[in-house]
Amino acid sequence: DAGVTQSPTHLIKTRGQHVTLRCSPISGHKSVSWYQQVLGQGPQFIFQYYEKEERGRGNFPDRFSARQFPNYSSELNVNALLLGDSALYLCASAYTDTQYFGPGTRLTVL
Amino acid sequence: AQRVTQPEKLLSVFKGAPVELKCNYSYSGSPELFWYVQYSRQRLQLLLRHISRESIKGFTADLNKGETSFHLKKPFAQEEDSAMYYCALSGSGANSKLTFGKGITLSVRP
Repeated sequence: DAGVTQSPTHLIKTRGQHVTLRCSPISGHKSVSWYQQVLGQGPQFIFQYYEKEERGRGNFPDRFSARQFPNYSSELNVNALLLGDSALYLCASAYTDTQYFGPGTRLTVL
Repeated sequence: AQRVTQPEKLLSVFKGAPVELKCNYSYSGSPELFWYVQYSRQRLQLLLRHISRESIKGFTADLNKGETSFHLKKPFAQEEDSAMYYCALSGSGANSKLTFGKGITLSVRP
């Protein structure tokens, strides 16, 4: 198993644009979570999905949304990008309560 | 509210020296505590979790509920231990978010 995979690896956008980030969990994992990691900080929780239902949402504006598909993969969408959205976006999957992380997508907003 | 505090940003030691990375937490209930490690150019990976009470790569961590601490220790540091270390907390169950500390850089000099 390749572990959690994320695409794309890097992304450059301009302010006001929209972005979609993708995540494929480890086979058999039904829970997917998204985190934002700004330089110099620990990851911050954005969303958690389990069996295609949202189970948790962090303190992020409504510009951030996500969904989980029947195959348990997930997308994170961010609308009306701001400079402050520049960060590493991490996806993690879990079978029980231990989360396994992907390599992340580095988003740069210019 | 759940919170994780890692009071130091950087710890630099010589090879063979003991290491203690501090972590304090705030949580009303019974938390699950984790240490994650990120080596250079690698993804965030689980080092150990308090519930398993294992020793991984010579590292141990004991949950002290009285002091609300989960410090990571290793008696003899190795150069390959140089990495970023994050303490994290979640509630119990499969669908709980992780709250991370800001992380600490461990540098082990030859």
